[in-house]
Amino acid sequence: DAGVTQSPTHLIKTRGQQVTLRCSPISGHKSVSWYQQVLGQGPQFIFQYYEKEERGRGNFPDRFSARQFPNYSSELNVNALLLGDSALYLCASSLGQGNQPQHFGDGTRLSIL
Amino acid sequence: AQSVTQPDIHITVSEGASLELRCNYSYGATPYLFWYVQSPGQGLQLLLKYFSGDTLVQGIKGFEAEFKRSQSSFNLRKPSVHWSDAAEYFCAVWFSGGYNKLIFGAGTRLAVHP
Repeated sequence: DAGVTQSPTHLIKTRGQQVTLRCSPISGHKSVSWYQQVLGQGPQFIFQYYEKEERGRGNFPDRFSARQFPNYSSELNVNALLLGDSALYLCASSLGQGNQPQHFGDGTRLSIL
Repeated sequence: AQSVTQPDIHITVSEGASLELRCNYSYGATPYLFWYVQSPGQGLQLLLKYFSGDTLVQGIKGFEAEFKRSQSSFNLRKPSVHWSDAAEYFCAVWFSGGYNKLIFGAGTRLAVHP
């Protein structure tokens, strides 16, 4: 079975631009979470979606938004990009919204120039 | 405040030696605990988890971890390290109530000498 897939794998943007990252969960998983991992740090929780509704939000500005589609795939949008948004963005899926283990994709490496 | 601490940023061990990676958490209730491993340029792979019951849990790749409530710790161990174990290891705690979220430590980078 396919794991969590993310696209694109790499992305280069300039300050002020907008970006959309995509994630397809493992088949049967209904929850998707997004994390930001800055170089040298642990992943920081951004959002959790379950059954197309937001169920968790980390300490990120409103420039960050996400949504989940009826097929449980998800998009993360970041507006007005800043240099500090350069990071590896990880998507994880799980069966439910609770404490089930999360399965991670390989991430999207976003570089802001 | 909810937090996860991994006191060791870098650890170097010789191949075949034993390994212990430390993790401490701050949380008012019984936490759900995880260890993940990340190889360069890749996502995170779940090694093991603790939800309840036996405080010594077994994971993949020969790893185990022990939950000690009195010390708020969940240390990862392996009796004999292989060169392929070189990677970054993250401890994570699931906090529930209000907004559910998974909180990661800063990670421990493991180097293995031949």
